[in-house]
Amino acid sequence: GAGVSQSPRYKVAKRGQDVALRCDPISGHVSLFWYQQALGQGPEFLTYFQNEAQLDKSGLPSDRFFAERPEGSVSTLKIQRTQQEDSAVYLCASSLAGTSGPRHTQYFGPGTRLTVL
Amino acid sequence: SQQGEEDPQALSIQEGENATMNCSYKTSINNLQWYRQNSGRGLVHLILIRSNEREKHSGRLRVTLDTSKKSSSLLITASRAADTASYFCATDALGALNFGKGTSLLVTP
Repeated sequence: GAGVSQSPRYKVAKRGQDVALRCDPISGHVSLFWYQQALGQGPEFLTYFQNEAQLDKSGLPSDRFFAERPEGSVSTLKIQRTQQEDSAVYLCASSLAGTSGPRHTQYFGPGTRLTVL
Repeated sequence: SQQGEEDPQALSIQEGENATMNCSYKTSINNLQWYRQNSGRGLVHLILIRSNEREKHSGRLRVTLDTSKKSSSLLITASRAADTASYFCATDALGALNFGKGTSLLVTP
């Protein structure tokens, strides 16, 4: 079956531009996560949705970052007034359930590589 | 901030050899997971071990967990060139995963 998909795969933005990154989770998955991965580092948590509710946004680095999942399926991560330090791979993951355990296994998309010039 | 730390940062072995990677973490966990990442397939879940388990096997993978030492190890037996990738441990306490910086494994023919 289809996995998690993300678009675009690559995005180049000029500093100050706004960008929107899309995530299509696996159908039926309740939970959706966004992570940011800088070069040579592991992914770092940004935010978490359970259905349409954003339950945790503690990892968002600034108020320029905004995420939504209005119908509990597709999610969009928006970055306003991009800065060079925003350059990273943005990963989306989904899981069947919202609590820990085997049903919580997170399945990752291929990521969107954002480069801010 | 990243909770886990993998050791070594980089590992180079020949095909057929075993590869061992270690992970240490800081806080209490519900479970610990290992992921593999390469440019071709993105981040792929390998194995999950619960906090009340000590060892788990999956094919050529063996994972151990020592919650008293807050550490885990991943053993890949009979390595293949296709195992070349970065390997991350991730701890799961409140839903979101906390990843380490990863071990970069190179398996040469």
